[in-house]
Amino acid sequence: DAKTTQPTSMDCAEGRAANLPCNHSTISGNEYVYWYRQIHSQGPQYIIHGLKNNETNEMASLIITEDRKSSTLILPHATLRDTAVYYCIVRTYNNNDMRFGAGTRLTVKP
Amino acid sequence: AAGVIQSPRHLIKEKRETATLKCYPIPRHDTVYWYQQGPGQDPQFLISFYEKMQSDKGSIPDRFSAQQFSDYHSELNMSSLELGDSALYFCASSSLQGANEQYFGPGTRLTVT
Repeated sequence: DAKTTQPTSMDCAEGRAANLPCNHSTISGNEYVYWYRQIHSQGPQYIIHGLKNNETNEMASLIITEDRKSSTLILPHATLRDTAVYYCIVRTYNNNDMRFGAGTRLTVKP
Repeated sequence: AAGVIQSPRHLIKEKRETATLKCYPIPRHDTVYWYQQGPGQDPQFLISFYEKMQSDKGSIPDRFSAQQFSDYHSELNMSSLELGDSALYFCASSSLQGANEQYFGPGTRLTVT
């Protein structure tokens, strides 16, 4: 699976949009971009995934660049409960070995 | 909506003892995964099962084994426990009928003393 690079940490003001970047320059054509988050010691939570088109669901939006070498997860109106470690993971659809990297620790501040 | 259930939630064992962790996947999910997360570390994939057959193997020690049963629940068996096995153990489940995103349980915190 392609390797991902994320900032170690980010801060965001409550109510503002949180934009979390991820670089995956070695992504293959059949690899998807998945985002998960982990709130302290809880099980990781699936957020969203995409292949090449931008995606949106009730939790977030995923913007993937045209060359697919990077993506941005957008939380449109961050709340204090969005404070968590966010993981960007690149893998093929049927690859069960999901590799969590270091992730970005997002802190939402009042 | 039903979630992944793990039991027990907390477990304390002594060195060289054995432990069994259980995972009950979301109904109609056919794939189960096990992850280990040590203190201050990121989750590490251990092993997965699809339709009761092992599908992928990660960094699972030889002292550990796992299986998936006919009702799709899974058990992780850990023998000759070491202090370094103290960690959070997460189970996740998914369905190939969906987008194969994994849904995680709340985890079992294993402490080896």
